Amino acid sequence: GESVGLHLPTLSVQEGDNSIINCAYSNSASDYFIWYKQESGKGPQFIIDIRSNMDKRQGQRVTVLLNKTVKHLSLQIAATQPGDSAVYFCASRAGGSYIPTFGRGTSLIVHP
Amino acid sequence: EAGVTQFPSHSVIEKGQTVTLRCDPISGHDNLYWYRRVMGKEIKFLLHFVKESKQDESGMPNNRFLAERTGGTYSTLKVQPAELEDSGVYFCASSPLGGGGGGNTIYFGEGSWLTVV
Repeated sequence: GESVGLHLPTLSVQEGDNSIINCAYSNSASDYFIWYKQESGKGPQFIIDIRSNMDKRQGQRVTVLLNKTVKHLSLQIAATQPGDSAVYFCASRAGGSYIPTFGRGTSLIVHP
Repeated sequence: EAGVTQFPSHSVIEKGQTVTLRCDPISGHDNLYWYRRVMGKEIKFLLHFVKESKQDESGMPNNRFLAERTGGTYSTLKVQPAELEDSGVYFCASSPLGGGGGGNTIYFGEGSWLTVV
C-alpha cells in the first residue's frame, strides 16, 4: 500500500557553502534530464538541463552532473544563498517523449 | 510575454462538490500538460494535450477527472465529485512543439491549490 506522512529529504546548509542535491532515476531509456526549483507557493521553475550525451553542464552558480552508469544525477549550487531555499526536483524524459517524470524532490534550507 | 496562468490559485470545496481548474498556456505552445502534487510527494503526470487532442492521459487517476482543451487554446480540468484524496496542487505546463526527445523546456504555471474538506 501507499505510505503516508513521508517527509521530503532535506538538505540544510549555511549561506556561502556549496550544496549538492542528488537524484536517482530508474529508466535506462531516459536521455534528457532537467532540474526544477519550486519556491513556496509557486510552480516549478526550470534551472538547468542536460542531455544523455553529456556528463556535465554548467550554468550560473549551478552545475549538473550525470552518471548514466549508475543512473544518478546531481545538482551543485555554488555559494548557496538564502534565496536558493526551495524544493528541488529532478525530472527525466525518455527518447521521443514529451513527458518528464519527476522525482520526489529535496528541500534545501539555507541558513544565513 | 505572459507565462502559464492558472485559475483559481486556491480553492476550498466540500467533498462531493465539483471544481473546475483552468489553464492558459503560453501563447503559441501546442503542448499542454497537467500535473498534480500531493503534499510531500512527487509531481505526478496527469495528461498531455497536443493542441486540442489528448496525446496521453495515462496519469488520470479515475473517471472523476475530466480534462478538455477546446480549440487548442486554454484547458480545463474538472473534478466531479471531489474526494478528500484529491487535495493537492494542480500544475499546468506548456511547451512548443518539436521538442520531444530532449532539449525542450516545459514552463509551469504557479498551480491551483485544491483543498477538499
